[in-house]
Amino acid sequence: DIQMTQSPASQSASLGESVTITCLASQTIGTWLAWYQQKPGKSPQLLIYAATSLADGVPSRFSGSGSGTKFSFKISSLQAEDFVSYYCQQLYSTPLTFGGGTKLEIK
Amino acid sequence: DVQLQESGPGLVKPSQSLSLTCSVTGYSITSGYYWNWIRQFPGNKLEWMGYISYDGSNNYNPSLKNRISITRDTSKNQFFLKLNSVTTEDTATYYCARDRDGYSDYWGQGTTLTVSS
Repeated sequence: DIQMTQSPASQSASLGESVTITCLASQTIGTWLAWYQQKPGKSPQLLIYAATSLADGVPSRFSGSGSGTKFSFKISSLQAEDFVSYYCQQLYSTPLTFGGGTKLEIK
Repeated sequence: DVQLQESGPGLVKPSQSLSLTCSVTGYSITSGYYWNWIRQFPGNKLEWMGYISYDGSNNYNPSLKNRISITRDTSKNQFFLKLNSVTTEDTATYYCARDRDGYSDYWGQGTTLTVSS
């Protein structure tokens, strides 16, 4: 199985700041990576696929980069509704696997 | 718009089987894509369990060994999860989702399952 190591597990930030989350794959996965947002009590929602492509309706303050084994997810100018949890997922091979998640907290 | 909705018993006893249903509206499950079951454990770890394809083929997570079965009823546009010999470690929120090239673009709201005697 491909292991996805996501960091940090939690991060504090202020409104308007930018944050970056990292995901490392245990083997190369090209750009077969997605990022999801999960609000409390809700299902995950797709934000980014193919490492850099924004899903429909997702604000442009969200962005993704990377290829191979190292990936980054950035939120520019944090809004109040962004302080929730985020997960990466590799799409390269089954079993599909997820990172452990990052919870954003307001500083 | 595509919508998925899970339904299930909520509580299952250890060693029994769990059965969940995912009802899909807005898209035929035979028209395309793969149809996933994903679960989230207490503590929030996400695990992909498997899928049934639009053509009826399956792919399962080997971690579930021979306990899992995903089937469908095309007349009702539903697909199902059956997990045998459950233990307390199967306590989780279970999601069904549409799989598009590996990423899930539409998810159900989730159904919580507790395994307890």
